[in-house]
Amino acid sequence: ELKVEQNPLFLSMQEGKNYTIYCNYSTTSDRLYWYRQDPGKSLESLFVLLSNGAVKQEGRLMASLDTKARLSTLHITAAVHDLSATYFCAVGTYKYIFGTGTRLKVLA
Amino acid sequence: GAGVSQTPSNKVTEKGKYVELRCDPISGHTALYWYRQSLGQGPEFLIYFQGTGAADDSGLPNDRFFAVRPEGSVSTLKIQRTERGDSAVYLCASSLFSGHYGYTFGSGTRLTVV
Repeated sequence: ELKVEQNPLFLSMQEGKNYTIYCNYSTTSDRLYWYRQDPGKSLESLFVLLSNGAVKQEGRLMASLDTKARLSTLHITAAVHDLSATYFCAVGTYKYIFGTGTRLKVLA
Repeated sequence: GAGVSQTPSNKVTEKGKYVELRCDPISGHTALYWYRQSLGQGPEFLIYFQGTGAADDSGLPNDRFFAVRPEGSVSTLKIQRTERGDSAVYLCASSLFSGHYGYTFGSGTRLTVV
């Protein structure tokens, strides 16, 4: 059974700091997705990583995928309060298995 | 439409009642998905439609849950004899193909069974 684990589950950080969220999955997958969810809202697509070594960046967020290690990272650079949200990774083709999420709180 | 639309946004029902949740996908998207998200958890897959047919319904928890998409566009998730454990946010998503390149979620229906 495919499992997706994220860590940390909770992250509280100061504005201006850098941090990385990790996403591990248990079986082979050549694509991985990152989503953001604000409280009471739906999921917003952030990144779609389609192959080993893929790296994508948008603003202060950068995501990478290592399919051999079955690991994806979401790196946050110089965090700002607006990045506070829950971040999910997911793997799959048509059927996604989601991680448990990382609840990020950026303190002003 | 411009996005995935779900109605109602909130639904409160009594235990044992029947409910229908509606999803209107992005125009032209052939693939449609239903997920269920419990508080503090990631979404869990329920069912995937490609066109009018359910290509994978392996995530439906039991036979009280059923979904249809008769004309390949709007889909309805139907829950019979609701139980308190069915309380969750039900999310619908759609994609142009089979989800290999990500898909777009709707805002969800929050179902509360009392």
